[in-house]
Amino acid sequence: DAGVTQSPTHLIKTRGQHVTLRCSPISGHKSVSWYQQVLGQGPQFIFQYYEKEERGRGNFPDRFSARQFPNYSSELNVNALLLGDSALYLCASSTGQVYGYTFGSGTRLTVV
Amino acid sequence: ELKVEQNPLFLSMQEGKNYTIYCNYSTTSDRLYWYRQDPGKSLESLFVLLSNGAVKQEGRLMASLDTKARLSTLHITAAVHDLSATYFCAVVATSGTYKYIFGTGTRLKVLA
Repeated sequence: DAGVTQSPTHLIKTRGQHVTLRCSPISGHKSVSWYQQVLGQGPQFIFQYYEKEERGRGNFPDRFSARQFPNYSSELNVNALLLGDSALYLCASSTGQVYGYTFGSGTRLTVV
Repeated sequence: ELKVEQNPLFLSMQEGKNYTIYCNYSTTSDRLYWYRQDPGKSLESLFVLLSNGAVKQEGRLMASLDTKARLSTLHITAAVHDLSATYFCAVVATSGTYKYIFGTGTRLKVLA
């Protein structure tokens, strides 16, 4: 079975630009969450979606937004990129809290 | 606000030795997860601990949870080089949600 897939794997953007990151959860997983991991730190919670509804939002500015589609895939959008947005963005999906999250391999975003 | 602390932050140990990583959290939570991360890679789920007194073992790793003390431990027995990685614990911030608060991480290096 395919795991959580994210695209692209790497990208480089310029300050002020917009970026869209994509995630396909494991088949049957209805919950998708996004995390930001800055180098040398633990992941920070950005959003959680379940059945296409936002169920949680972390302490990130409004430049960050996300959505979940009917097939449970998800997009994370970041507007007006800042240098500090450079990080590994992780998508995770789950079928239930007793199982925890399965994480994708991430998208490494570099803002120059 | 829930805070999760791990110690030590860095651990260098000889092959064959035993050691314990500690994960303390600041508010009540009944679910705790341990993940492993290799450099440049995503997070790999190790253990899901769902109740007070839970103990899980896989190979040379054993994790336990004491919800009353707000403490989880990850014990390494007879370390081998392949265990070199960064280990994170994560605690659910609010019951019924998927918002994980990750610890600071413990970077483990096992020396041959």
